[in-house]
Amino acid sequence: QVQLQESGPGLVNPSETLSLTCTVSGGSISSYFWTWIRQPPGKGLEWIAYISYTGSTNYNPSLKSRVTISLDTSRNQFSLKLSAVTAADTAIYYCARTVAGKVNNYYYHMDVWGKGTTVTVSS
Amino acid sequence: QSALTQPPSASGTPGQRVTISCSGGTSNIERNAVNWYQQLPGAAPKLLIYNNNQRPSGVPDRFSGSKSGTSASLAISGLQSEDEGDYYCAAWDDSLNGRELFGGGTKLTVL
Repeated sequence: QVQLQESGPGLVNPSETLSLTCTVSGGSISSYFWTWIRQPPGKGLEWIAYISYTGSTNYNPSLKSRVTISLDTSRNQFSLKLSAVTAADTAIYYCARTVAGKVNNYYYHMDVWGKGTTVTVSS
Repeated sequence: QSALTQPPSASGTPGQRVTISCSGGTSNIERNAVNWYQQLPGAAPKLLIYNNNQRPSGVPDRFSGSKSGTSASLAISGLQSEDEGDYYCAAWDDSLNGRELFGGGTKLTVL
């Protein structure tokens, strides 16, 4: 069974860069799309970005200027970097395997999720 | 484009049928596939319904999805106490460069 595990610092200083890694086990990262999602405390889900197995990316317009997503096929990992963080970036960050494409219409669903990692932005 | 619109709360008694609505627009729900995610307390979200009405393996047939125009619905029949949690609709929005949109979430309470 494919499993995803997020890792990274739980505390980040304001104005610095948040860096997270998602490690994929039980399957190859060289297929599917891979997504980052976050959930602020007590709030709903927010889509951050995806990267495909070919390396193509798409970012949430509200975060695009601060976000970079990358893929490391040799380590079966993909990563998220979010720069110039503020307290508003405090959230649980999830990574997810994603099935996506277009057959007449777009389909995009996240079928395997990591357990999430809590990131707090504070000095 | 703002988030898809869901009622903030829903409730029902064990055994009842409950529906949760999700409203969007032409560039998301009407044109593209709708998915539903279940988030139980303290857990990560889980895919419940994909491509409007498909259930992943292991999801009971008590859960069903439908779509009409710019709206979608999730129905839960034979409500059980373990269904209590948050439910999110989602769809790809193909305006501009495209992005995934989530609904604001509906908190389901089993009375």
